[in-house]
Amino acid sequence: AQSVTQLDSHVSVSEGTPVLLRCNYSSSYSPSLFWYVQHPNKGLQLLLKYTSAATLVKGINGFEAEFKKSETSFHLTKPSAHMSDAAEYFCVVSDLVPGRRALTFGSGTRLQVQP
Amino acid sequence: EAQVTQNPRYLITVTGKKLTVTCSQNMNHEYMSWYRQDPGLGLRQIYYSMNVEVTDKGDVPEGYKVSRKEKRNFPLILESPSPNQTSLYFCASSLSRRRGSSYEQYFGPGTRLTVT
Repeated sequence: AQSVTQLDSHVSVSEGTPVLLRCNYSSSYSPSLFWYVQHPNKGLQLLLKYTSAATLVKGINGFEAEFKKSETSFHLTKPSAHMSDAAEYFCVVSDLVPGRRALTFGSGTRLQVQP
Repeated sequence: EAQVTQNPRYLITVTGKKLTVTCSQNMNHEYMSWYRQDPGLGLRQIYYSMNVEVTDKGDVPEGYKVSRKEKRNFPLILESPSPNQTSLYFCASSLSRRRGSSYEQYFGPGTRLTVT
């Protein structure tokens, strides 16, 4: 069985400071991992994905994440927060076995960016 | 423009009155799925479909039905809605899931359902 734990339900940073959103996963198979972002009253947008290529994955809007198999982590980072980054972020794991359910979502981390 | 559309976007209904939320994608994706989003729980899968006429239960299928008669459409049916089905619903689609690969899912804009 697969699962995802987002370690912080809320994160607050000041504009221009680094962002770190933490995610740990468990999976019986080699996982694919994603980060999605949801802005208020909007749908979900893919930020980045890891699918067993490079362990450091770059996404849109300056975000990146590093897959660490030994730590079963996939933390999301950004060097400098912008006001427009305020949103809810979801870490997602996907197993690769046909016929199984597709995606397991974490419970989300709400990012606040203070001016 | 490649997209997943859902209708309606907002719906308020009463207990027991059957309703359907439509979902359509124009990307020729084989795989489609329905999720519900509740505070503190993230998104949970209701049903998914690997292809036309192939559907299966997700994590929380009770009280829902789906059908997949055409590749582009995947409606969600609530035969007798109850207040605990008040939620934000998302439809998603992706390319077919094959062993050894995984494709990101594209999400619709969401349908906010309130059952009183």
